Amino acid sequence: NAGVTQTPKFQVLKTGQSMTLQCAQDMNHNSMYWYRQDPGMGLRLIYYSASEGTTDKGEVPNGYNVSRLNKREFSLRLESAAPSQTSVYFCASSPRNNEQFFGPGTRLTVL
Amino acid sequence: RKEVEQDPGPFNVPEGATVAFNCTYSNSASQSFFWYRQDCRKEPKLLMSVYSSGNEDGRFTAQLNRASQYISLLIRDSKLSDSATYLCVVNEDSEYALNFGKGTSLLVTP
Repeated sequence: NAGVTQTPKFQVLKTGQSMTLQCAQDMNHNSMYWYRQDPGMGLRLIYYSASEGTTDKGEVPNGYNVSRLNKREFSLRLESAAPSQTSVYFCASSPRNNEQFFGPGTRLTVL
Repeated sequence: RKEVEQDPGPFNVPEGATVAFNCTYSNSASQSFFWYRQDCRKEPKLLMSVYSSGNEDGRFTAQLNRASQYISLLIRDSKLSDSATYLCVVNEDSEYALNFGKGTSLLVTP
């Protein structure tokens, strides 16, 4: 099993550009999550999906949208990127509201 | 948002030393507790769950004190490979998401 995969690994955007971060898991987990990690701030939840067909806002949802395409895939979209969205983005999945398994992350820079 | 607090460190210890980290949480209704490990520029990975009775996994021992709302992690006989950031993580029963502390940095030196 590949576990949780994320694409791309690195991305540089200009202010105002849009992009979608992709995440997929092959562990048949119900719940999936998107976090951002900034120096000194720790991991902060952006959005989560408790099950296929549902999504909910986390702590820092502004400027982002998500789609739970099916049980395997959960994408994060930046419609109009801002320098404040420069961060490392992690996707995670869990079989229930418990231990989470993380993908390798996407390092995003917005100029 | 309920808080999970950790001493950021860094903790610099020699190989073979014993080191302990503490973490406090503010939500008394929290149900599940974990320690995650994160290596530099890598994703967090589960180190161990923390059970009410305390639990041990090799050189690692985790303790939970519900009355005082703190969690501890003890590492015995430190190895160079233990150098990482250790994240204290709390699950609040009403939430699907985990609440992460900002992490404690450990550097084990030869």
